[in-house]
Amino acid sequence: GQSLEQPSEVTAVEGAIVQINCTYQTSGFYGLSWYQQHDGGAPTFLSYNGLDGLEETGRFSSFLSRSDSYGYLLLQELQMKDSASYFCAVRDLGTGRRALTFGSGTRLQVQP
Amino acid sequence: DTAVSQTPKYLVTQMGNDKSIKCEQNLGHDTMYWYKQDSKKFLKIMFSYNNKELIINETVPNRFSPKSPDKAHLNLHINSLELGDSAVYFCASSQDREGLNYGYTFGSGTRLTVV
Repeated sequence: GQSLEQPSEVTAVEGAIVQINCTYQTSGFYGLSWYQQHDGGAPTFLSYNGLDGLEETGRFSSFLSRSDSYGYLLLQELQMKDSASYFCAVRDLGTGRRALTFGSGTRLQVQP
Repeated sequence: DTAVSQTPKYLVTQMGNDKSIKCEQNLGHDTMYWYKQDSKKFLKIMFSYNNKELIINETVPNRFSPKSPDKAHLNLHINSLELGDSAVYFCASSQDREGLNYGYTFGSGTRLTVV
């Protein structure tokens, strides 16, 4: 089976940096993805880490350590519009699944 | 211009009714999915189709039946609706079966309320 754990809520102020962690347990592993979802909106793809290390896309970066079964999403220069839920997700090849399994989401609240 | 479009956006219906949700993508993607998001925002895979072929059929009640007439469309039919079916249903598509490097593109969701 597979499971993903991430904090349920994080609060930060505008302009700050916030890190959202994700630990996973899978019988196989094929990379860690991150999605953003605003209230009432659809999840949107942010990033994918197939290999260890840091991937940077503008203000957002994502990190993976396969040996630690751990990854994080780093958001810099926080803006009010970053208030949303953030989901980590894995595709577990070990069980032959061919779809992403999502974590329960981290609600990020950015305060002025 | 919409990449993945779902209709209807809102659906309020009585218990016991049968309803359908339609999904279309104009991205030329090979794989489409249905996800259910509950009130706690937990996203759970229901079905996946690749080129009209069913490749994932999770443990959902057989009252739920997907239909893919072609690779651009994936509809969801639900029979004998129950209160517990109330949720937001998202259709999504991906360029390939993995959907990793470019991610999934989600539709805007259908909020189903069963009363």
